[in-house]
Amino acid sequence: DARVTQTPRDKVTEMGQEVTMRCQPILGHNTVFWYRQTMMQGLELLAYFRNRAPLDDSGMPKDRFSAEMPDATLATLKIQPSEPRDSAVYFCASGLSGKSSGYTFGSGTRLTVV
Amino acid sequence: GESVGLHLPTLSVQEGDNSIINCAYSNSASDYFIWYKQESGKGPQFIIDIRSNMDKRQGQRVTVLLNKTVKHLSLQIAATQPGDSAVYFCAENIGSGGSNYKLTFGKGTLLTVNP
Repeated sequence: DARVTQTPRDKVTEMGQEVTMRCQPILGHNTVFWYRQTMMQGLELLAYFRNRAPLDDSGMPKDRFSAEMPDATLATLKIQPSEPRDSAVYFCASGLSGKSSGYTFGSGTRLTVV
Repeated sequence: GESVGLHLPTLSVQEGDNSIINCAYSNSASDYFIWYKQESGKGPQFIIDIRSNMDKRQGQRVTVLLNKTVKHLSLQIAATQPGDSAVYFCAENIGSGGSNYKLTFGKGTLLTVNP
């Protein structure tokens, strides 16, 4: 089965450090989403891309978060500087626009900021 | 149903029973809905979807029902198995429809299947 690959699986970092999370979408998928999951807020949409162009990043704190797609095989989510409240599981999902079959999620990156 | 605040709704069933998980969605303009299953330590996994022009859709052991009048969605799992134990999320597409699927997730329901 095709998979969305996220790295790293787990990340522990100190407050103030830069964190970069990576996602390899399924080959051929043109839509990529970044979600954050916490017990308090559930799954929150941070940003999404269509054909590598950012369509919506209104869910993302702009002062410290940035999301990019350098190419069709890589999406990145960067936090600089990181804060303890950023601790969460970050999921990437990919899909094909116009195909109403849901999106495929990766296994997530568990981020802990101490 | 959907949670408000910190508490995740829970549903506990016996193996072999049928399960019904409910979801109240927020936007009357939503036109596409998906149910996801999330097991511990994993990402959400697609189960079944339904468009707003339908009121019922069936898959393998699962059925989704949509009531647009009261903005309610339900997932029925037949002959529930221990492997069905997970958190179940409903997601709605709040957007212009067509190919612009931007999903908003509910808080989830924890299903526990007792052997």
